[in-house]
Amino acid sequence: AQSVAQPEDQVNVAEGNPLTVKCTYSVSGNPYLFWYVQYPNRGLQFLLKYITGDNLVKGSYGFEAEFNKSQTSFHLKKPSALVSDSALYFCAVRDGGYQKVTFGTGTKLQVIP
Amino acid sequence: DGGITQSPKYLFRKEGQNVTLSCEQNLNHDAMYWYRQDPGQGLRLIYYSQIVNDFQKGDIAEGYSVSREKKESFPLTVTSAQKNPTAFYLCASNTGQTSYGYTFGSGTRLTVV
Repeated sequence: AQSVAQPEDQVNVAEGNPLTVKCTYSVSGNPYLFWYVQYPNRGLQFLLKYITGDNLVKGSYGFEAEFNKSQTSFHLKKPSALVSDSALYFCAVRDGGYQKVTFGTGTKLQVIP
Repeated sequence: DGGITQSPKYLFRKEGQNVTLSCEQNLNHDAMYWYRQDPGQGLRLIYYSQIVNDFQKGDIAEGYSVSREKKESFPLTVTSAQKNPTAFYLCASNTGQTSYGYTFGSGTRLTVV
């Protein structure tokens, strides 16, 4: 069975500082990994994905994520946080041979002005 | 613009009543999904469909039903058998290929009154 963990319910960061939102995963095969962002009372928006290749993946709105196979992690990062980045962030994983996607429980990012 | 439309945005249900949530997409996507979102629990899969006239139960299908008569449409019925239906419901779609992320609708908030 596949699973994904987001160990922090909330992350607070000052505007202009770098941010990291953590994600670890467990799959039996090759992982397909995704990050989504959700603003209040809205659906999720796709940020970026890792399928294969370079371990550093760049996505929308200046976000990037680093795939680490040995640590089974896929942390979301941004060099300089904006107040508008405040939202709920979800990590998701799909085993390459499995149709369903499993989502983490979400991490609320609060960027403080 | 292509996308997914969920309606209504807010829905109120009386005890013992069935209600149907609409999900329509014009992305020409083969696969469609219904998720339920509760605070602190992330997204849980209710039903999914990879092709017209076929659908599969997800992790929490009890008390829900779906149909997929058209490629564009995947309505979800919350039946009276669902004892705790108050939640935020999200519809998503993708091409069906495992390496692609999902496109989400903006959600329906269902409240039992």
